[in-house]
Amino acid sequence: GAGVSQSPSNKVTEKGKDVELRCDPISGHTALYWYRQSLGQGLEFLIYFQGNSAPDKSGLPSDRFSAERTGGSVSTLTIQRTQQEDSAVYLCASSPNPQARNEQFFGPGTRLTVL
Amino acid sequence: AQSVTQLGSHVSVSEGALVLLRCNYSSSVPPYLFWYVQYPNQGLQLLLKYTSAATLVKGINGFEAEFKKSETSFHLTKPSAHMSDAAEYFCAVRSNQGGKLIFGQGTELSVKP
Repeated sequence: GAGVSQSPSNKVTEKGKDVELRCDPISGHTALYWYRQSLGQGLEFLIYFQGNSAPDKSGLPSDRFSAERTGGSVSTLTIQRTQQEDSAVYLCASSPNPQARNEQFFGPGTRLTVL
Repeated sequence: AQSVTQLGSHVSVSEGALVLLRCNYSSSVPPYLFWYVQYPNQGLQLLLKYTSAATLVKGINGFEAEFKKSETSFHLTKPSAHMSDAAEYFCAVRSNQGGKLIFGQGTELSVKP
């Protein structure tokens, strides 16, 4: 079956521009996570959506970062006024039922480069 | 707070040799632990997971890990390395707040012919 997909696979932008990154989770998965992978910081949690509950935004590094999940499926991570330190690989993951301790299934990531 | 420490950012072994990647965790609650592998320019793939059943967990590609509560460890092993095992390996603990994963810094495994 189809896995988690992310688009675009690569994004190059200029400092100060806004970017949108998209994640399509595995169908039927209720939980969706965003992580960031960068050289200096490793893999960091950003935000978590579970069903209709309010998202856990505790990992977002600044108010320039936001995310939404429409219809309990597709999610978009938006970074406003990008900075060079935002350059990283952004990974999305989904899970069928986190309460059942299921593992998370990761997408291939979006590599963001801010010039 | 929960955390994961991977000892050694880079491990190099010869083909056919034992692979040992170290992971220690800190958790105030019984942990759920995972090992993921990341090949170049790809996402993370689950190797194995510990969810409080058997302490010796077998995963894909011949890898296994043993949960040792007394040592707060969950080291990953493979008896005989293959060239295709060259990748980055991440140990993670599942947070008891929302299920997010808390990752170690990763260990890059190189396999020499």
